[in-house]
Amino acid sequence: QVTLKESGPALVKPTETLTLTCTFSGFSLSTSGMRVSWIRQPPGKALEWLARIDWDDDKFYSTSLETRLTISKDTSKNQVVLTMTNMDPVDTATYYCARFSGYNDAFDIWGQGTMVTVSS
Amino acid sequence: QSVLTQPPSVSAAPGQKVTISCSGSSSNIGNNYVSWYQQLPGTAPKLLICENNKRPSGIPDRFSGSKSATSATLGITGLQTGDEADYYCGTWDSSLSAGVFGGGTKLTVL
Repeated sequence: QVTLKESGPALVKPTETLTLTCTFSGFSLSTSGMRVSWIRQPPGKALEWLARIDWDDDKFYSTSLETRLTISKDTSKNQVVLTMTNMDPVDTATYYCARFSGYNDAFDIWGQGTMVTVSS
Repeated sequence: QSVLTQPPSVSAAPGQKVTISCSGSSSNIGNNYVSWYQQLPGTAPKLLICENNKRPSGIPDRFSGSKSATSATLGITGLQTGDEADYYCGTWDSSLSAGVFGGGTKLTVL
């Protein structure tokens, strides 16, 4: 069974750096074709793709946020970490990690999401 | 402003059929697979359709997908009240080298 779970602080202050961890099981990010993305959703708004890391350590970022984002993986721990610098209240959102499988070319398994509020 | 364009809302009666459109460009829908996601209130999105028109295991055949040029469509037949949700299309944009989603469509089953 494939599962993903996000963890991180529920509250961060403006200008702080957010660090989120996606811990997964049931697959290996060293398997060819496997990828993990971060996606966020502000309250009442649409999904926004943030970043992706691939099995071969290729990394891709949202063009509007790439100067603030860093994605990395620890294959031995089955974890993907996203850092976002200089947090602002507009970054308040539920943050999801999701597996992107090369088998079906889609986000086939999602984590439950973690709500992050940016406020002083 | 989302890269992919969806209607904000659609509605239909129980038992009826509804379609949800997703419009993009040659750099995204035109040259990449489209997937569709259902997000029930308060839950994470769930994959409904992958590779334009394939249903993952467990997804009823009431849900269908199609793609033509730079547009994609999600179809739902035999509408049930449990289908009330937000629906999102998604794909890869080769020019941006980034994932993209539509703005979401809220389905109301009257």
